[in-house]
Amino acid sequence: DAGVTQSPTHLIKTRGQQVTLRCSPISGHKSVSWYQQVLGQGPQFIFQYYEKEERGRGNFPDRFSARQFPNYSSELNVNALLLGDSALYLCASSSGGLSYYGYTFGSGTRLTVV
Amino acid sequence: DAKTTQPNSMESNEEEPVHLPCNHSTISGTDYIHWYRQLPSQGPEYVIHGLTSNVNNRMASLAIAEDRKSSTLILHRATLRDAAVYYCILSGGSSNTGKLIFGQGTTLQVKP
Repeated sequence: DAGVTQSPTHLIKTRGQQVTLRCSPISGHKSVSWYQQVLGQGPQFIFQYYEKEERGRGNFPDRFSARQFPNYSSELNVNALLLGDSALYLCASSSGGLSYYGYTFGSGTRLTVV
Repeated sequence: DAKTTQPNSMESNEEEPVHLPCNHSTISGTDYIHWYRQLPSQGPEYVIHGLTSNVNNRMASLAIAEDRKSSTLILHRATLRDAAVYYCILSGGSSNTGKLIFGQGTTLQVKP
């Protein structure tokens, strides 16, 4: 079975631009979460979606938004990019949306803002 | 959100057991204890999780203290492929979502 797939794998954008990152969860998984990992730090929670509804939001500005589609895939959008948005963006999927489920992470999208 | 405390780094010899400690003194009754590990240039990988009882799977064992204020991830025979950053995470609490709060983790070095 395919794992969590993220696209693109690498991306270079200019300050002020907008970016869309995509995630396909494991087949049958209904929960998708997004994390940002800055170099040298642990991942930080951005959003969780379960059954197409937002279940949780981390401490990120409104420039960050996400959605989940009927097929449970998800997109993360970041507007008005700043240099500090340069990071590895990780998507994780789970069969459920609650705390007792384990999560499977993708390999991430490396975003560089110049 | 409840916090976890882990040593910054640990070393182990190949084929020896490794015990990775984690303190979580402010854990709530509904928090699950999760362990993930991250190899260089990869996303985190699920290792194990539990609530109150010790847990075993093919990768590792999780020993949870009776008062749940600490836990230990046990790798029974370390291999070079186990060299990674290991994160101890509490998930759940009053919001009972799947949010994982990662700390700095423990960087495990495995020597041949």
